[in-house]
Amino acid sequence: DTAVSQTPKYLVTQMGNDKSIKCEQNLGHDTMYWYKQDSKKFLKIMFSYNNKELIINETVPNRFSPKSPDKAHLNLHINSLELGDSAVYFCASSQAGPGAQYFGPGTRLLVL
Amino acid sequence: KQEVTQIPAALSVPEGENLVLNCSFTDSAIYNLQWFRQDPGKGLTSLLLIQSSQREQTSGRLNASLDKSSGRSTLYIAASQPGDSATYLCAAYTGANSKLTFGKGITLSVRP
Repeated sequence: DTAVSQTPKYLVTQMGNDKSIKCEQNLGHDTMYWYKQDSKKFLKIMFSYNNKELIINETVPNRFSPKSPDKAHLNLHINSLELGDSAVYFCASSQAGPGAQYFGPGTRLLVL
Repeated sequence: KQEVTQIPAALSVPEGENLVLNCSFTDSAIYNLQWFRQDPGKGLTSLLLIQSSQREQTSGRLNASLDKSSGRSTLYIAASQPGDSATYLCAAYTGANSKLTFGKGITLSVRP
C-alpha cells in the first residue's frame, strides 16, 4: 500500500551511461514531480507534470528527459551521465494545484 | 524569485523541551506553506500544510503558524522526544510559477 514508489533505490553507474528512474503513485493524484537533492541536502524541483503534460521545467539540462505514460507514472531518463548528476532524486505527487505533496523514498544516484 | 530560509541549520535540545523552528520567505504571494520531516536516508514526510488564508495548523504535538505579511512561519514542537530527531524542511508554494520552494532544513537532535 505504498503511496509513492520509486525504483531503483540505489543506482551506481559510470560516467557517460544512460539510466532511467521509475516512479509510480497510487494516490489518484493529477500532478507528479521530480526533485533533486544535492550533497548539501538542498532540494530543488526539476519537472512537474499535470495529467501527463509538462508544466514545469526548471532549467534542467536536456540530458534529463521526463516521460509520463499515464497519470500514475512519471519516469526520468538521464543521458550521458556526469559526475555532477550524483544526488538523490525524489518523485512526488499531489492533487492538481497547490495541494500537499507526497514524496517517494528517493533514488540515490552515484556516478563514478 | 521566492527564497526560503531556515536558521539555524542545526539544533540540539534535551528531551522534554518545547521548541520552535523558524522559516522565512521573501515572496508573500504564497498559496500555502508546508512543513516536512526527513529522516536520514529517507524520503520526506508531510507534517502540516497551512493555506495562505489560515494562521495555524495543529497535528498532535506539532503546531505550525503562518504570518504572510512578515514572510514567516514557525513549527512548534511540544515536549520533544528523541524520536523527533530529524531534518525539518519548510516549503512555500508560490502560485506565480506553481512550485514548492524549499528551505535547506533544520537538523534537530533531541538528546535523551
